Amino acid sequence: AQSVTQLGSHVSVSEGALVLLRCNYSSSVPPYLFWYVQYPNQGLQLLLKYTTGATLVKGINGFEAEFKKSETSFHLTKPSAHMSDAAEYFCAVSDRGAQKLVFGQGTRLTINP
Amino acid sequence: DGGITQSPKYLFRKEGQNVTLSCEQNLNHDAMYWYRQDPGQGLRLIYYSQIVNDFQKGDIAEGYSVSREKKESFPLTVTSAQKNPTAFYLCASSHGTSGGATDTQYFGPGTRLTVL
Repeated sequence: AQSVTQLGSHVSVSEGALVLLRCNYSSSVPPYLFWYVQYPNQGLQLLLKYTTGATLVKGINGFEAEFKKSETSFHLTKPSAHMSDAAEYFCAVSDRGAQKLVFGQGTRLTINP
Repeated sequence: DGGITQSPKYLFRKEGQNVTLSCEQNLNHDAMYWYRQDPGQGLRLIYYSQIVNDFQKGDIAEGYSVSREKKESFPLTVTSAQKNPTAFYLCASSHGTSGGATDTQYFGPGTRLTVL
């Protein structure tokens, strides 16, 4: 069964610094890949997704992620953190043809002034 | 405005009671999903439905039941058989017609259930 690992349940960066949130998946066949963001007591909002084509995917709020097949990774980055980026971030994957998403455990991002 | 609504936002239940969480969408989506969120565990799929009058168990369906009588509605009942129901419950929907999870799932604002 497909699984997702997010390295680091809590990441803290300074405002203006690089944000890097890590996500690795288990499937040997490239899946579909997603990053969602959740603000406190709210639902999830899609940041970006990779299904096919260009491996560098740009999303909302200045975030991007790169699909690396050789590393089975889909890490999320943002060049310069903003205070409004403080939230919980979830990586999710789905096998091609499957109906279900499998979510990682989440990474809580804290931004220090 | 198109979107997904969940009600109530907060729900308190006494042990032994069944409770029903509401989920409504006006996005004309075929597929709907229920997830449970616990701290440090991400989201886990409870049930999903790809079409009216049909639904499938997810990874943690025990103690829960659903119905899909209308395209826009997918209520979740948390029964007394669910041993640890205190959690944040999220409903989602997607187009679903492509038959795969390339369809973006759109989430509602969630219902926080607390068992007293």
